[in-house]
Amino acid sequence: AAGVIQSPRHLIKEKRETATLKCYPIPRHDTVYWYQQGPGQDPQFLISFYEKMQSDKGSIPDRFSAQQFSDYHSELNMSSLELGDSALYFCASSLEYEQYFGPGTRLTVT
Amino acid sequence: SQQGEEDPQALSIQEGENATMNCSYKTSINNLQWYRQNSGRGLVHLILIRSNEREKHSGRLRVTLDTSKKSSSLLITASRAADTASYFCATVPYWNSGGSNYKLTFGKGTLLTVNP
Repeated sequence: AAGVIQSPRHLIKEKRETATLKCYPIPRHDTVYWYQQGPGQDPQFLISFYEKMQSDKGSIPDRFSAQQFSDYHSELNMSSLELGDSALYFCASSLEYEQYFGPGTRLTVT
Repeated sequence: SQQGEEDPQALSIQEGENATMNCSYKTSINNLQWYRQNSGRGLVHLILIRSNEREKHSGRLRVTLDTSKKSSSLLITASRAADTASYFCATVPYWNSGGSNYKLTFGKGTLLTVNP
C-alpha cells in the first residue's frame, strides 16, 4: 500500500540558510499535517491543510511557512535557520482521525 | 502546553512479559490514540479509542480510557523483542471533533525495551 513520502530524508544546513521539506500524502487523503520532533521530545504540531487550505496552525515560527499544492503535495519552507531548528520533521496524512506518518526529514543546522 | 504525560518514561522487561504504559491528559477529548515509534523513525498508528469507549483490543494490545481521570493505559501482552520502541499517546481535543482538522497533541512517550 502507498505510504506518505517525504523528501529529503536528511538535510544539513548552516545557520541563516533556507530549507524546503516536501511531503507527498497517501492518495485520496484530504488532510496533511506537519509535526516537529526535537531530540528526545514528543512530536509538536506545526500546521495542517485540508483540501489545500490551511486548516490549523500550532507553534510554528514566523520564519516557517507551508502550503499544499493542487496535486496535494505539501512543502514546509524554513528560513533564517537556527540551531534550535535541528529536529525530525514529520508529515502525516489522513482521511479522518487516524494519521499516517511519513519517515520524516532529519534536519541538522550547523 | 503538553497535553499528555506518559508514565513510566522508560520500561525494561523480559520477552514474554506484559508491558503497561499510562498516559494522562488535561482537556476534554474526542478520542485518544496510541502510536509507536522505532528509534528516529516515523510514527505508526496502533489503536484509537473514542471518548465514549472504555476499553478496546487489537491483537496483543489492550487500551483502556478513563475520562473521569483523564487517563489511558496501553497494555502489550506477551511482549517480543520486536516491540522495543517508544510509545506515545496522542489526543484529539473535543472541540476538534466537528471539523476536518484532527491535529494530535502528543504525550512525552514511554521508551519500552524488551530483552530477549
